Amino acid sequence: EIVLTQSPATLSLSPGERATLSCRASQSVSRYLAWYQQKPGQAPRLLIYDASNRATGIPARFSGSGSGTDFTLTISRLEPEDFAVYYCQQRSNWPRNTFGQGTKLEI
Amino acid sequence: QLQLQESGPGRVKPSETLSLTCTVSGGSISSSSSYYWAWFRQPPGKGPEWIGSLFYSGTTYYDPSLRSRVTISVDMSENHFSLNLRSVSAADTAVYYCARVPRVAVAADHWGPGTLVTVSS
Repeated sequence: EIVLTQSPATLSLSPGERATLSCRASQSVSRYLAWYQQKPGQAPRLLIYDASNRATGIPARFSGSGSGTDFTLTISRLEPEDFAVYYCQQRSNWPRNTFGQGTKLEI
Repeated sequence: QLQLQESGPGRVKPSETLSLTCTVSGGSISSSSSYYWAWFRQPPGKGPEWIGSLFYSGTTYYDPSLRSRVTISVDMSENHFSLNLRSVSAADTAVYYCARVPRVAVAADHWGPGTLVTVSS
């Protein structure tokens, strides 16, 4: 099973700052990695798929990069509504897919 | 606009079967080969976990760790798909989500709001 490790576990920043979240895979997943945002009491929301493609309706301040085992989600200028938990998900061995343990982005 | 809604009991006793239904509105499960339909769950305080996926043709895929206990089925006439998880234990307590997964992205782009299922006697 491919294990995804996200870092840091918690990231404390202020609105207007730049956020950089990391996801590392235990083996190569090519570019088959997605990022989700989850707020308390809500379902996950797809942000990025295939490492760098923004999902429909996602603001341009969200960007993804990486390939192989190392991936990054960048939020260029934090808005108040961006403070949430972020998960990465790999689908390199679809239909199997696994999620990371999450990074909490807090003010 | 596509909407998904989970329904089913909020509490199940140990060793019994957890049964949930996902009703899809604003789109037809059977009308497009472009999507999978999936079930995920999220234990308290943890990340999401994939349970299994259903293709419109009826083909199903399950996580190996759950395969012996899981069945996902579809009712095209009712435009819903269902999850049955047998022989549950406390470890199956989680929020259960249904979702749509486009084949092009293979990432879930529409989710239901989720339903908490507690396994307890």
